[in-house]
Amino acid sequence: DSGVTQTPKHLITATGQRVTLRCSPRSGDLSVYWYQQSLDQGLQFLIQYYNGEERAKGNILERFSAQQFPDLHSELNLSSLELGDSALYFCASSVGASALLYNEQFFGPGTRLTVL
Amino acid sequence: GESVGLHLPTLSVQEGDNSIINCAYSNSASDYFIWYKQESGKGPQFIIDIRSNMDKRQGQRVTVLLNKTVKHLSLQIAATQPGDSAVYFCAESLSGGYQKVTFGTGTKLQVIP
Repeated sequence: DSGVTQTPKHLITATGQRVTLRCSPRSGDLSVYWYQQSLDQGLQFLIQYYNGEERAKGNILERFSAQQFPDLHSELNLSSLELGDSALYFCASSVGASALLYNEQFFGPGTRLTVL
Repeated sequence: GESVGLHLPTLSVQEGDNSIINCAYSNSASDYFIWYKQESGKGPQFIIDIRSNMDKRQGQRVTVLLNKTVKHLSLQIAATQPGDSAVYFCAESLSGGYQKVTFGTGTKLQVIP
């Protein structure tokens, strides 16, 4: 168990809908990262928050947004969902803002989003 | 659990044998490489890393080899155990920063008891 929790585990919704994925980082970690893993695709970095502020942005669509709250949990909002958004969404956390050692980054178990 | 990489290449290995998983990376300028293990229903887990100024690094039962000439990484697992069954993928990074990491799709390792 990495200590990073994500809810829900599974989510099934329809095209055009909006969903919110939630992540709680490990105790003491200030950074939260969101990744998308489509079937047979490598992980794609979406966005990073550090202590409530956006730190880095990756391949995140404009239909997607995220935030990190004062208690450090984070939410990823996906709107106007399309079939192609079906994927595993992972959250990861680390203590620092820009850890150079990747063994300092811990991943949650993911949320499986299915868009029908 | 969640299925990852339904159509990934699969390596089947007898328990106790050594496993070798290969990865071709794309950017000759990448200077940092990581191997991850992803078990069904879990997120990726860091295994071992290597910087471009090295060609070999050893951990506990794992060894990573880097061949920059042909842009190739390999992960060797000694005395493979059933608990090693998972998807393994490599990642490459250019001068650090999580947004600069490119992840591979992976290889599924099946350990036959």
